[in-house]
Order: sequence, then structure tokens, then C-alpha cells
Amino acid sequence: ETGVTQSPTHLIKTRGQQVTLRCSSQSGHNTVSWYQQALGQGPQFIFQYYREEENGRGNFPPRFSGLQFPNYSSELNVNALELDDSALYLCASSLPGIETQYFGPGTRLLVL
Amino acid sequence: GESVGLHLPTLSVQEGDNSIINCAYSNSASDYFIWYKQESGKGPQFIIDIRSNMDKRQGQRVTVLLNKTVKHLSLQIAATQPGDSAVYFCAELYSGNTPLVFGKGTRLSVIA
Repeated sequence: ETGVTQSPTHLIKTRGQQVTLRCSSQSGHNTVSWYQQALGQGPQFIFQYYREEENGRGNFPPRFSGLQFPNYSSELNVNALELDDSALYLCASSLPGIETQYFGPGTRLLVL
Repeated sequence: GESVGLHLPTLSVQEGDNSIINCAYSNSASDYFIWYKQESGKGPQFIIDIRSNMDKRQGQRVTVLLNKTVKHLSLQIAATQPGDSAVYFCAELYSGNTPLVFGKGTRLSVIA
């Protein structure tokens, strides 16, 4: 186990709704990255947070947004959910200047 | 649990045999590479990493080989065990603050 935790483990929403996913990083890790993993695919980078600020963003629309808190925990918010948002959402934490990222168990989101 | 890769390439090996999983990476300027193992219902688990100034790195029962000339990475697992059954992803990183870019993944199935 990496020490990265995510909640909830599973979630079902309907199109148009909003969702908030949460991540607690491994102790001492102040960098948090979020990934989307569609079925049968590798994880795709959404964005990264470092010291409470966004520090890089992948090819995802603005309805995907995030926050990082002083204790390094993080949230991923998705507005106006679409069916294609159904995926496993992964959070990974790392130490500053260290490339290795450690992943949490993920949140499985199903949009109906 | 859910399947993380329904249509991935599959490698089937007999328990006790050695496994070789291959990966072609995309960016010739990438300087850091990681192999992750992902079991059904879990997040990716760090296995081993290698920097671009190395050709080979060994861990416990695993060896990673890097061929920069052809942008190829391989993961060798010695004496494969049933617990090694999972989807394996390679990931590349260009520089410290850029996101990990994941390959498509290979499903390893160990036959007891």
C-alpha cells in the first residue's frame, strides 16, 4: 500500500450532475496529480497541484477543476458530467523534485 | 472487481517461467521511465524505474532494460508467480515537472 487514499471508492451520477472526488496524499508528499483511466486504457493526465496551485494541465476541458489544501490533500471537481466521463479516477502523490509517483486505489465513476 | 484492460495485448506464461513485457515509448527526449503493475480494482503500483543514462536496472525478481536507439523498454520478471498476474504499464517522463505519459498496457496471465 502506498499511503495514498481516495474517496469515495465508487460513485454513480447522471448526466449534467457535478461530482467531487477526494485524495489524501502520502505523508510528506506535497505534489498531487490526477489521472483519468478509461476502460482498457492507460491513465491520462488531468492536472497536477503543487503548494496549492495548479502546476500543469492535460488536455481536459475547464469543467474539470481541482483544489489542493494546506495539508496537501486534493479534490477533483467535474461539472456538467457527460457519459464519457465514466472512468477510474486516480490520484498520485510525489515528493518535490522526485519523479516517482505513487497512486491511490482510485474512484470508479459511472455516469448514466 | 472491474477489469482495467478488456482489449489489451495479453501475455500468458507458465508459473515459474520468465516473463518479458515490452513497451515502445513515444518521446526520444524522455529521461525517466517507470513500470507499474495494476491489479483489478486497484491503482497502479510502482515496480521499478530507470533513468535514460542507464541501460539496465535490476530489482527483486525484476529487470528493466532500456534501448534508447529504438525507444524501447522491457520488463523482465523472473520465476513468474500467480500473484504477478495483472496489467503492466510503462510510463515515461520528459522532465521533473511534466506528467507521466503511460503506454497502452499489457495483461500478464500466469498459468498455474
